[in-house]
Amino acid sequence: AQSVTQPDIHITVSEGASLELRCNYSYGATPYLFWYVQSPGQGLQLLLKYFSGDTLVQGIKGFEAEFKRSQSSFNLRKPSVHWSDAAEYFCAVAMEYGNKLVFGAGTILRVKS
Amino acid sequence: DAGVTQSPTHLIKTRGQQVTLRCSPKSGHDTVSWYQQALGQGPQFIFQYYEEEERQRGNFPDRFSGHQFPNYSSELNVNALLLGDSALYLCASSPQGQGIYTGELFFGEGSRLTVL
Repeated sequence: AQSVTQPDIHITVSEGASLELRCNYSYGATPYLFWYVQSPGQGLQLLLKYFSGDTLVQGIKGFEAEFKRSQSSFNLRKPSVHWSDAAEYFCAVAMEYGNKLVFGAGTILRVKS
Repeated sequence: DAGVTQSPTHLIKTRGQQVTLRCSPKSGHDTVSWYQQALGQGPQFIFQYYEEEERQRGNFPDRFSGHQFPNYSSELNVNALLLGDSALYLCASSPQGQGIYTGELFFGEGSRLTVL
């Protein structure tokens, strides 16, 4: 069965500092990987996705993620965090031709000025 | 263009009652998925509807049922409510069920259910 682990429940970074959110997945075949962001009062928004090819993928809002098969990881990064990035971030995995996403428990990002 | 709209936004029920949550998909979308997000957890897949049929179901009991109407809108029904059903219920819509892979899976803001 697929599963996603996000080891950090909360992360606090200073505005302007770099950010890395960790995600590990468990899935036997080639995973389809996603990062979503959830701001208070808003629905989940897709930041980026990885299916195949270049293991470094670019997303919206200046985010990027790197797929590392050997480590079963798909970590999200941003070089310089803005106060508006404060939100909860979810890593998710899907099966090929599947219809559902399996989400991790999320990481809450706090940005201090 | 309205996105995914859900109603009601908040509701309170007592144990044993029944609840119906509603979802209108984004214009042009014909597939609706429902997710349950308990406090401190990530969303969990309940089921997906396409062409008015339940196409896939997650690990949820039969107390959770749904329906899709000809206009693609959908309802989620939960019977015999338990305290553990308290959660944010998210609806997501996509075109032709492939939104996960095309990035065209859009989520609503959710309906927050509290069971007392």
